[in-house]
Amino acid sequence: QKEVEQNSGPLSVPEGAIASLNCTYSDRGSQSFFWYRQYSGKSPELIMSIYSNGDKEDGRFTAQLNKASQYVSLLIRDSQPSDSATYLCAVGGFQKLVFGTGTRLLVSP
Amino acid sequence: DAMVIQNPRYQVTQFGKPVTLSCSQTLNHNVMYWYQQKSSQAPKLLFHYYDKDFNNEADTPDNFQSRRPNTSFCFLDIRSPGLGDAAMYLCATSRGGGRGLSYEQYFGPGTRLTVT
Repeated sequence: QKEVEQNSGPLSVPEGAIASLNCTYSDRGSQSFFWYRQYSGKSPELIMSIYSNGDKEDGRFTAQLNKASQYVSLLIRDSQPSDSATYLCAVGGFQKLVFGTGTRLLVSP
Repeated sequence: DAMVIQNPRYQVTQFGKPVTLSCSQTLNHNVMYWYQQKSSQAPKLLFHYYDKDFNNEADTPDNFQSRRPNTSFCFLDIRSPGLGDAAMYLCATSRGGGRGLSYEQYFGPGTRLTVT
């Protein structure tokens, strides 16, 4: 069974720090990888997608992909209290995504 | 703005009383998905449509059905809701990928279902 693993957290960081979120996956054939942010009671919101090995930056967010080691990470620079949410890692399978259970991030002022 | 819309946002139904949730999209995506999400859990895929082709997950109960009358609309029918079906139901859309490649999925706001 294809799996996506995340530490459930909570990951606590002070405001202004870098938050590092990690995800590992089991299907070596996966080709697409996504990070979603989900606030309590709301639907997931896409924040990053990455398809190739290496880093991809978008504003304060950097996604990192290492297919050989089967992990993908998300760095959030200059963390803000508004970044406090659950971050879901999703890995692309055939016509669908496999989601991890998410890491809860808490950013304290 | 292109978007995914779900109605209603909140639905209360009685045990065993059929309920229909709707989803519409203006993204012109050919793939539409229905997920169930319970508190502190990952979204659980129920089924998806690739164009008109229906794809059911092996562990989706028969109690859950879906219809896609056209590209823009998709419905989730719960024929006899049980207390365990209380959850957030999420609709998502995506462009279809060649060779099964999965692209970004965009979610609607969800429908919170309560079963009394």
